[in-house]
Amino acid sequence: EDQVTQSPEALRLQEGESSSLNCSYTVSGLRGLFWYRQDPGKGPEFLFTLYSAGEEKEKERLKATLTKKESFLHITAPKPEDSATYLCAQISGGSNYKLTFGKGTLLTVNP
Amino acid sequence: EPEVTQTPSHQVTQMGQEVILRCVPISNHLYFYWYRQILGQKVEFLVSFYNNEISEKSEIFDDQFSVERPDGSNFTLKIRSTKLEDSAMYFCASGGGRDSPLHFGNGTRLTVT
Repeated sequence: EDQVTQSPEALRLQEGESSSLNCSYTVSGLRGLFWYRQDPGKGPEFLFTLYSAGEEKEKERLKATLTKKESFLHITAPKPEDSATYLCAQISGGSNYKLTFGKGTLLTVNP
Repeated sequence: EPEVTQTPSHQVTQMGQEVILRCVPISNHLYFYWYRQILGQKVEFLVSFYNNEISEKSEIFDDQFSVERPDGSNFTLKIRSTKLEDSAMYFCASGGGRDSPLHFGNGTRLTVT
């Protein structure tokens, strides 16, 4: 069964202080690695999909990268509005349709 | 931008009662899903639905649960006899292709008393 592990569980940054979130996934048969943002009381909001090692995607202050065993979400010069829980999820070869999520990283950006 | 809409946003029910959670997926999507999130825990897969049938379901999705796409726009989750442990946030999601990103609604918070 797929296992997605995210670290750290919580991260507190000052506005402008760049950092990275980590996601370790089950390597065998990976078909897609997804990053979502979740605000309190809301559904996950899609950010990025990565399909193969070496791939990178960027959107505003966020950049997602994928290696052969983990993915990183880099946050450059974050703002308070970037505060949210960031979720990593995978689809693997053993399942055609099921996303397996990690527990998420709760990011707080202080002004 | 098209979005997945869910109703109601909050449902309170008594143990043993039936509930139906409703979703309108994005109109040109073909794959439909229900996930749930118990407070403070991971988002968990319940069921996927494609071509008018269930394509995969988790162990959570037992005989008390059913899904239906009664017309071209709605997708429903029914819980026949709710239990206290069914209290959670239920998310509907839809996707345009097999490995495409899923787009989630804002959920229905189900409270079973």
